[in-house]
This record gives sequence, C-alpha cells and structure tokens, in this order.
Amino acid sequence: DAGVIQSPRHEVTEMGQEVTLRCKPISGHDYLFWYRQTMMRGLELLIYFNNNVPIDDSGMPEDRFSAKMPNASFSTLKIQPSEPRDSAVYFCASSGTISGNTIYFGEGSWLTVV
Amino acid sequence: AQSVTQPDIHITVSEGASLELRCNYSYGATPYLFWYVQSPGQGLQLLLKYFSGDTLVQGIKGFEAEFKRSQSSFNLRKPSVHWSDAAEYYCAVAYMGRRALTFGSGTRLQVQP
Repeated sequence: DAGVIQSPRHEVTEMGQEVTLRCKPISGHDYLFWYRQTMMRGLELLIYFNNNVPIDDSGMPEDRFSAKMPNASFSTLKIQPSEPRDSAVYFCASSGTISGNTIYFGEGSWLTVV
Repeated sequence: AQSVTQPDIHITVSEGASLELRCNYSYGATPYLFWYVQSPGQGLQLLLKYFSGDTLVQGIKGFEAEFKRSQSSFNLRKPSVHWSDAAEYYCAVAYMGRRALTFGSGTRLQVQP
C-alpha cells in the first residue's frame, strides 16, 4: 500500500520566493496533518484537517503560511514569501479509522531558504 | 495544555544491553500514547501505540512500552539493543477529541559496539 506521499523531497529556494509543498494522504484517511521539524523547536503541529476542513491552524507561524485541502487526496502548504528561518523539514501525516486512528507520516520535504 | 516530556536528550548503550527511554505526559484525560522512531534523513515510523486495555504493549523491532497512569509515564523498553536501533525516538500523545499528536523533544540513542 502507498503511504503518505510528499513532494518535493528537497527544495532550495531564495528568500522571497514562493514555496509550495504537496501531500497525498493515505487513501481512506479523513485526517491530514502538517508538521514542521527544526533543531530548535522539534516537531511542531502547524495545522490539521478533518474531512478537508481545517480544524486547528493555531500552529501556523504567520500569514506567510497557508494550507489548503481541496479534496480528500491532496493538500498543499504554501509559504509566501519565504524566509531563511523557514528552513526546516515539513512532514505531512494522515490518519483514519480504517487504520485504527494511527497517524502515518510521509518522508518529509526538506526546505532550505537561502 | 497537553505536553510530553522526554527527560533524556541523549542516551548511549552498548550493543546487547537493555534499553529504557523515558516519557511523561501531562493532561487529565485518558491519553492515546505513541512511540515513533526517526533515522537520519527519514520520516517517522510508528513503533507502538496505546489506546486502552492492557497497559503493556508490544511493538515492532522487539520494542515494548508500559503505560502507568499513576506515574503519567509511557516508557519504551527493549531487552537487547542492536546497532541498527541507533536513531531518534519520539514519544507523542493525543486525546479523544483532538487527533493531532503533541511530541516530546526526542531522545537520541547511540549504540556502542
């Protein structure tokens, strides 16, 4: 079975550019999560969706960050404009009753903003 | 607010020795508890989880964990560590009504030959 699929796996971009990270959750899962991992702050929840609706976006750092889930099989996390302090690993994860409510993580998108 | 504490930032054990990684959580409600492992450059892999029932849970790779409500703990154990177990280990908690995980700061395990 395919797991959570994220793209791109690695991205290097210049400060001020727009960055879009993509995620395809596991089929049948109704929860989708975006996490950010940094050395300083560890794993932080940015936002999560249930049935494509944002439930909690209190972890989104600021207005430069936005996330959407237009359908059950696709989500994006956008940073515009990007800054060097946004450099981190961004993980997408999903869960659902079909998998016992366990949260499964993608391999992450490694973002470097120079 | 819910929180998870992993008091050990870094642990070194010899191959073949036993291992215990500590995890404490804080919240009044019954938690859902998880242990994940992350190898360098990789995503997070679920080792085991506790939702209810038997407080001693078995996971993959020979790991087990025990939920102790009186101590608000969910410590991870392995009787004999292998060199391939070297990685970062994260304890996480969720609650009924809030599916998102709150993670501890992680424990880095180093295995000596």
